[in-house]
Amino acid sequence: SQTIHQWPATLVQPVGSPLSLECTVEGTSNPNLYWYRQAAGRGLQLLFYSVGIGQISSEVPQNLSASRPQDRQFILSSKKLLLSDSGFYLCAWSWSGQGGEQYFGPGTRLTVT
Amino acid sequence: QKEVEQNSGPLSVPEGAIASLNCTYSDRGSQSFFWYRQYSGKSPELIMFIYSNGDKEDGRFTAQLNKASQYVSLLIRDSQPSDSATYLCAVENSGSARQLTFGSGTQLTVLP
Repeated sequence: SQTIHQWPATLVQPVGSPLSLECTVEGTSNPNLYWYRQAAGRGLQLLFYSVGIGQISSEVPQNLSASRPQDRQFILSSKKLLLSDSGFYLCAWSWSGQGGEQYFGPGTRLTVT
Repeated sequence: QKEVEQNSGPLSVPEGAIASLNCTYSDRGSQSFFWYRQYSGKSPELIMFIYSNGDKEDGRFTAQLNKASQYVSLLIRDSQPSDSATYLCAVENSGSARQLTFGSGTQLTVLP
């Protein structure tokens, strides 16, 4: 079976500090990978998605970036956090090639102070 | 701009009743539709998907799809307090099948 991990679970960071969130998937090869952000009481905003190693598509211009250094590893980064970066960050995966249903990790709750 | 609209609620139903959650979408070419349940503070969990017009049943859940009306719904029969959560509708983008557009969710409360 497939499992998706995210860490850390919670994070409190000051404005201007860097960020690195990690997501890994087990039990499947070459998954499509996604980063979403969910602000309090809001829907899911797609930030980045990747169909393979080194292939990243950005959906929203912002101070965040993503990388996929290994097949089942997806990293979300920022050089300098803004207050508006606070939110619930969710990593998800879907089956290689076909897309379809997405499965979410447990999420990282980020508070920028 | 692809849009998925849901009534934000909150929707309250008594225990044992049928809860009806609705969703409309703008992407006429969409072929796949999903319902997720999200408990407070947790990540979304896939509960149903539907690809064809009509009804699809899974236990107490029934998804209904009408592509002509661009409408998808979720019925929860014999609602339980444990069903209290936010329900997210998601629609696969016709231009990029690997992407989903999510509605903002309907908050459901089942009253004991």
